[in-house]
Amino acid sequence: DQQVKQNSPSLSVQEGRISILNCDYTNSMFDYFLWYKKYPAEGPTFLISISSIKDKNEDGRFTVFLNKSAKHLSLHIVPSQPGDSAVYFCAARGRIQGAQKLVFGQGTRLTINP
Amino acid sequence: NAGVMQNPRHLVRRRGQEARLRCSPMKGHSHVYWYRQLPEEGLKFMVYLQKENIIDESGMPKERFSAEFPKEGPSILRIQQVVRGDSAAYFCASSPNGQIWADTQYFGPGTRLTVL
Repeated sequence: DQQVKQNSPSLSVQEGRISILNCDYTNSMFDYFLWYKKYPAEGPTFLISISSIKDKNEDGRFTVFLNKSAKHLSLHIVPSQPGDSAVYFCAARGRIQGAQKLVFGQGTRLTINP
Repeated sequence: NAGVMQNPRHLVRRRGQEARLRCSPMKGHSHVYWYRQLPEEGLKFMVYLQKENIIDESGMPKERFSAEFPKEGPSILRIQQVVRGDSAAYFCASSPNGQIWADTQYFGPGTRLTVL
């Protein structure tokens, strides 16, 4: 039962253009959403988050949008840079089996082409 | 100020052997979380521990897997009688408190377990 889904396993974008990574979820009780970035041979690092009471959060080149009615969030990176090439995971926080947990999507591999 | 440390980074075991994965949280952090990432999948929560206490082990397989976080020393994830399906990357994260505000949950580099 995949409660958080990233349906695009990979995405390729030209340097300087906008990268849009998408994430869908099924559990309406999730109250906090996060994006992580992961380089090979490293652990995930936190990138940006959004509370369910908001629909947008911006931090520099990164913006996360949340559409609660569609149970959909997206991460926009603009302009995209070669260093943005990594695997991006979305995650959702919610009470599952009686305790708060993070549920991760499968990840999207972003490649920025020079 | 060292981050979360995991060792070994790579571990190879034959079927039936035991695997012990270690995690040293960031200094000052008393909460540890273990996640497993199978190939082509996202990270899946396994267990949440505080010093000397297992808080939530709802993501742990019922058999062969155990975890501890002793008063002194690193947290240990132990897998007995490993099988090929245990091959995965195992990530540890730590936080200074028990809130699942993941921007305060710092991940280690992971241990990649390969079972032959």
